[in-house]
Amino acid sequence: QSVLTQPPSASGTPGQRVTISCSGSSSNIGSNTVTWYQQFPGTAPKLVIYSTDQRPSGVPDRFSGSKSGTSASLAISGLQSEDEADYFCAAWDDTLNGPLFGGGTKLTVL
Amino acid sequence: EVQLVESGGGLVQPGRPLRLSCAASGFTFDDYAMHWVRQVPGKGLEWVSGISWDSGAIGYADSVKGRFTISRDNAKNSLYLQMSSLRAEDTALYYCAKDIKTGLYGDFDYWGQGTLVTVSS
Repeated sequence: QSVLTQPPSASGTPGQRVTISCSGSSSNIGSNTVTWYQQFPGTAPKLVIYSTDQRPSGVPDRFSGSKSGTSASLAISGLQSEDEADYFCAAWDDTLNGPLFGGGTKLTVL
Repeated sequence: EVQLVESGGGLVQPGRPLRLSCAASGFTFDDYAMHWVRQVPGKGLEWVSGISWDSGAIGYADSVKGRFTISRDNAKNSLYLQMSSLRAEDTALYYCAKDIKTGLYGDFDYWGQGTLVTVSS
């Protein structure tokens, strides 16, 4: 498996709660923590969740992460227009011996 | 303020070498592992290589193993990526990224703005 599996797109209306899924295997999500990055067009990715459910300082508590087995989720509650971006999941892969990324999910705020 | 500034990208012919550099500031460079991550514009992210704080642990993606060499100079707060035998599929924006730990953990809390590498004849 070359990448973690994410839906290519997701959407929601302002104020809504949306979740983005990330599916992996026993060699990555199943045995290691999950990370989530937010990326706006033309800019570098930004860390929004690390160690599966930890938020860096400055990231709103509307963002939360979770994991179950070989799948993980990023949830964004109280959706805002400024949340419209691409979101990538990542997890250390014991076979690659490095971090493996998801293909990315484009979140649209309707 | 943490800053990571990449340089060295450009247009290069297939099979030729290229060296990327990343100048770091705003944090204690030798306290953290560092990585290179690449992205074809409009596409996903791909980890390329990582190096621990003391260069004792180094890793490469299979796609670049044997062709790319990562290194760091803690005295100069700099990270490098020596790329050889470049292929068209190496064309991408190359980001320098700071790990949150000293070893190769793989969580990146700061990223540079990237340097574009285009491999074409």
